[in-house]
Amino acid sequence: GAVVSQHPSRVICKSGTSVKIECRSLDFQATTMFWYRQFPKKSLMLMATSNEGSKATYEQGVEKDKFLINHASLTLSTLTVTSAHPEDSSFYICSARALQGGTEAFFGQGTRLTVV
Amino acid sequence: QKEVEQNSGPLSVPEGAIASLNCTYSDRGSQSFFWYRQYSGKSPELIMFIYSNGDKEDGRFTAQLNKASQYVSLLIRDSQPSDSATYLCAVRGFNGQGAQKLVFGQGTRLTINP
Repeated sequence: GAVVSQHPSRVICKSGTSVKIECRSLDFQATTMFWYRQFPKKSLMLMATSNEGSKATYEQGVEKDKFLINHASLTLSTLTVTSAHPEDSSFYICSARALQGGTEAFFGQGTRLTVV
Repeated sequence: QKEVEQNSGPLSVPEGAIASLNCTYSDRGSQSFFWYRQYSGKSPELIMFIYSNGDKEDGRFTAQLNKASQYVSLLIRDSQPSDSATYLCAVRGFNGQGAQKLVFGQGTRLTINP
């Protein structure tokens, strides 16, 4: 099956710093990547949809300037949490949809962000 | 009303029995439905998808879709302890800009008791 690699799997950062999370599709090209956030024992909340070569589409209530998304190639999208605060601590998960569409996206391993 | 609703559980099922997970959705126009399994601390993995009314079987898993009732379910036969996880129902929808997105239910925590 298709593989999506997300890095890092865990990160601890100080309040006020920025953290970059990478999402790569390893064996397929992904025109669309999705970034989710998940709080403990809660479901996935879509933050934004990232399309290669264009601006990301953010869901209502998600701050564009705080969660910067870049989708520079068909295999890489990055999420940067800027000026992180403890309330940004969460599990961030990316997923990617293959170029040819079809069945639904494949998920990365997730990144556990802890802001101290 | 939430777009996709699931009973959060926990649902306990004895090993070897059938586990039945249910999901309802609000958008009558929805066409694509997905079941994901998520182990604690891990990301979701796709188990099955279903587009047409009726049943779809894959090994021990059967997805059932009833668009008239806006209801989709997942049956797990011969439940194993390794099936213990949170099961997420997802429905393909659209955001405000018309782009496709998955809308997830809150998940049902399933425990298979040996």
